[in-house]
Amino acid sequence: DVKVTQSSRYLVKRTGEKVFLECVQDMDHENMFWYRQDPGLGLRLIYFSYDVKMKEKGDIPEGYSVSREKKERFSLILESASTNQTSMYLCASRADTQYFGPGTRLTVL
Amino acid sequence: GEDVEQSLFLSVREGDSSVINCTYTDSSSTYLYWYKQEPGAGLQLLTYIFSNMDMKQDQRLTVLLNKKDKHLSLRIADTQTGDSAIYFCAPSRGSTLGRLYFGRGTQLTVWP
Repeated sequence: DVKVTQSSRYLVKRTGEKVFLECVQDMDHENMFWYRQDPGLGLRLIYFSYDVKMKEKGDIPEGYSVSREKKERFSLILESASTNQTSMYLCASRADTQYFGPGTRLTVL
Repeated sequence: GEDVEQSLFLSVREGDSSVINCTYTDSSSTYLYWYKQEPGAGLQLLTYIFSNMDMKQDQRLTVLLNKKDKHLSLRIADTQTGDSAIYFCAPSRGSTLGRLYFGRGTQLTVWP
C-alpha cells in the first residue's frame, strides 16, 4: 500500500513565523505535490516536483517555497506566515495514480 | 491550464442513485480520475477512466465519459449514508507525468 505521511495533522503558528510542513512517501514516486484546500475553492496547487532538487510553481506559489533534497521527502515552507495562509494543506505523490496524505490543518494567529 | 467545473452540492435519499457531473476544457486529457474526501481526511482515489473508454463500472460505481462534450459523470448506485463526502473530478494529460486539475468538489449528502 502506498503511504503518504504528513508531519502534523494540526498546527498553530503566529504571524511572521517560519513554518515547515513535511511530507514523506514510501513508494519511490518521482512526482510530489503540495495543495491547499479552502471551503468553496477546492484544491489549489502550490508547488510540485518531478525529481530531486526540481520544483515547479503551481497556481498559487506566492508566499511559499519548497525543498526536495531526497526523493521521498517534499517540504513546504512558509517563510513568514500570514493569517491568509490559514488553510488545510494536502501533500500528494504520483506514479500512475496520485495518492494523498491525510492533510495538515494550519492556523496562523 | 484546464478548467474543471462541478456543481457544489447534491442531496439524495439513502437507496437512491447519485449522479455527480463534471465538465472540463482540455481535450488532451487522457486520464480522468474521481476522488472522495471524507470529513477531516485526505483524498482517496475512487476510480478512473481512460479517454478511449466511454464507460467503466466498478461495483456500485459507474463512470461515463462523453469525450466530445468533455463531460464526465460518476453514478453511485444504492447510495448509503457512508457515501456522504466531497467528490472531486480530476482530469490529467498523462498517466505518470503532468499534474491533475481538480474541480471545486461536489458535496454529496445522503439522507436516511
